[in-house]
Amino acid sequence: NAGVTQTPKFRILKIGQSMTLQCAQDMNHNYMYWYRQDPGMGLKLIYYSVGAGITDKGEVPNGYNVSRSTTEDFPLRLELAAPSQTSVYFCASSYPPPGLAGGGNEQFFGPGTRLTVL
Amino acid sequence: GENVEQHPSTLSVQEGDSAVIKCTYSDSASNYFPWYKQELGKRPQLIIDIRSNVGEKKDQRIAVTLNKTAKHFSLHITETQPEDSAVYFCAATGYSSASKIIFGSGTRLSIRP
Repeated sequence: NAGVTQTPKFRILKIGQSMTLQCAQDMNHNYMYWYRQDPGMGLKLIYYSVGAGITDKGEVPNGYNVSRSTTEDFPLRLELAAPSQTSVYFCASSYPPPGLAGGGNEQFFGPGTRLTVL
Repeated sequence: GENVEQHPSTLSVQEGDSAVIKCTYSDSASNYFPWYKQELGKRPQLIIDIRSNVGEKKDQRIAVTLNKTAKHFSLHITETQPEDSAVYFCAATGYSSASKIIFGSGTRLSIRP
């Protein structure tokens, strides 16, 4: 299994440009997530999805959009790039939690996309 | 909303000594507490996790303890080695918010030779 893959690895955008960050997983995970990690900082959730056709906002969704047409793919769209969106973007996936008694669902992360907006 | 606080933000220990990182969480419904390690330029990877029905879990040199009453949990690394140098993130999730995990802000651990 390839696990979670992301493309591109690096990208430089000009202010106002648009782009789509690709994420795919081959583990048949229902749950998928997009995080951003600013330099020296933690992970902030942008959007997540609990299954094909279902998406929801995380902590920092402004300036981004997502879609989930298949179980495997979860692309992240930046419509009008701004310098504040300079960051490393991580996609992750997991199985649903096993339930109230068990709890927990390990997240598997992709290698990340380093985006710079100038 | 749910919040996870992590301390310290940086930690430097002598090789061979122990390191302890502490986290507190706000949602009493949280029942799963993973720890992730992120090496420089790499992706976060799970190193150990604990569920709310367990007070302590150990895996070789790393251990995690959970105090549900106080709503805090800790990562303990013994006999530290240079390869332990990384950023460590704690996280919490619960059945009520099972679709997402809330991460702490991270601890940069440096091992001095």
